[in-house]
Amino acid sequence: GQQLNQSPQSMFIQEGEDVSMNCTSSSIFNTWLWYKQDPGEGPVLLIALYKAGELTSNGRLTAQFGITRKDSFLNISASIPSDVGIYFCASLGSGTYKYIFGTGTRLKVLA
Amino acid sequence: ETGVTQSPTHLIKTRGQQVTLRCSSQSGHNTVSWYQQALGQGPQFIFQYYREEENGRGNFPPRFSGLQFPNYSSELNVNALELDDSALYLCASSSTPDREKLFFGSGTQLSVL
Repeated sequence: GQQLNQSPQSMFIQEGEDVSMNCTSSSIFNTWLWYKQDPGEGPVLLIALYKAGELTSNGRLTAQFGITRKDSFLNISASIPSDVGIYFCASLGSGTYKYIFGTGTRLKVLA
Repeated sequence: ETGVTQSPTHLIKTRGQQVTLRCSSQSGHNTVSWYQQALGQGPQFIFQYYREEENGRGNFPPRFSGLQFPNYSSELNVNALELDDSALYLCASSSTPDREKLFFGSGTQLSVL
């Protein structure tokens, strides 16, 4: 079946550093979304991408829809302690509303 | 604007029992979907309801069933509970035309003993 693989699985970074993470698949997708989940909460939508090559920002977050339509990237600039959490990429199975989530990247920030 | 609310927040059941989880969608949202999130994993799509009808289902057996009511709230029912059903169950609502943009509740943590 369709899967979304995220890397890295987890990362420790210093406060103020920039962060990069990615999401890849062997399948083509028409939509990419990025969510963040804090402990004990549901995921929160960060950015939605709809077109190959699209680059979209939301504050310190920037995400890109890969040209091949098989990947997406999320960058966080100047990380702060509240960036701690799990970041999930997600997409929709072709022609369906079957949502697929990635394996997650766990971000831990050292103050 | 009221967000997505789920009840109960925590639940303990024994194997073989049945459970009903409830979700109130965000005001103005007409679509509800349910997800199972095992510890350390991403959410897994169970099914989606739009206008009180199921219009998408993931790889879950028939003992997982649901309902959507005229006010767009929803229930997830799980029969014959198994130990592997222990997970965080998340409800998400969305609205046309942006049905892919999900707004999640905080979830119900289900433990099956």
